[in-house]
Amino acid sequence: NAGVTQTPKFRVLKTGQSMTLLCAQDMNHEYMYWYRQDPGMGLRLIHYSVGEGTTAKGEVPDGYNVSRLKKQNFLLGLESAAPSQTSVYFCASSSGGLSSYEQYFGPGTRLTVT
Amino acid sequence: DAKTTQPTSMDCAEGRAANLPCNHSTISGNEYVYWYRQIHSQGPQYIIHGLKNNETNEMASLIITEDRKSSTLILPHATLRDTAVYYCIVRAGGTSYGKLTFGQGTILTVHP
Repeated sequence: NAGVTQTPKFRVLKTGQSMTLLCAQDMNHEYMYWYRQDPGMGLRLIHYSVGEGTTAKGEVPDGYNVSRLKKQNFLLGLESAAPSQTSVYFCASSSGGLSSYEQYFGPGTRLTVT
Repeated sequence: DAKTTQPTSMDCAEGRAANLPCNHSTISGNEYVYWYRQIHSQGPQYIIHGLKNNETNEMASLIITEDRKSSTLILPHATLRDTAVYYCIVRAGGTSYGKLTFGQGTILTVHP
């Protein structure tokens, strides 16, 4: 049982390039989330999904797109990377509903945009 | 979701109890108090949560005041591995879909 995994672990992009971050969970969770964390700051929610085929905007969605084609995977895309998107990206999942008190987090992806 | 206030940093001696306070004076009746921690460079880890009553698990205890306007997370015997940022989060259940709003948290440093 791997829990929540993220690929890649590190990435350096040039301004304007695109990339996709992959999050996978093997706990059969309904809900999945993408957060970003800037230095010295708490996590901020980018997008989330309450089930396969559904996505919704979080606190800071601009410049990102997401897809949840399979229940176990949640993809985060950057179409045209900007230096302001340099951050650590965390994916999380939870079982959903009133019992969704525990979110399980992945190890993070460290992205630098130059 | 209600706003929370935590001290920026705290120190604790190894083996002693660490008591981390959190103020949430605008908490409403259906909002839970959650605690997560983030050890350097890792993803956050769930610790404990509660609504009204005090709670205890293998990691920590959560004490919520009777008026629910504040709470304290207690690590009974702190170790060096407990050095981390601790986040107190208040959120409603139900339609909030489990979204968590992280503030700045408290940096707990456990020293030998």
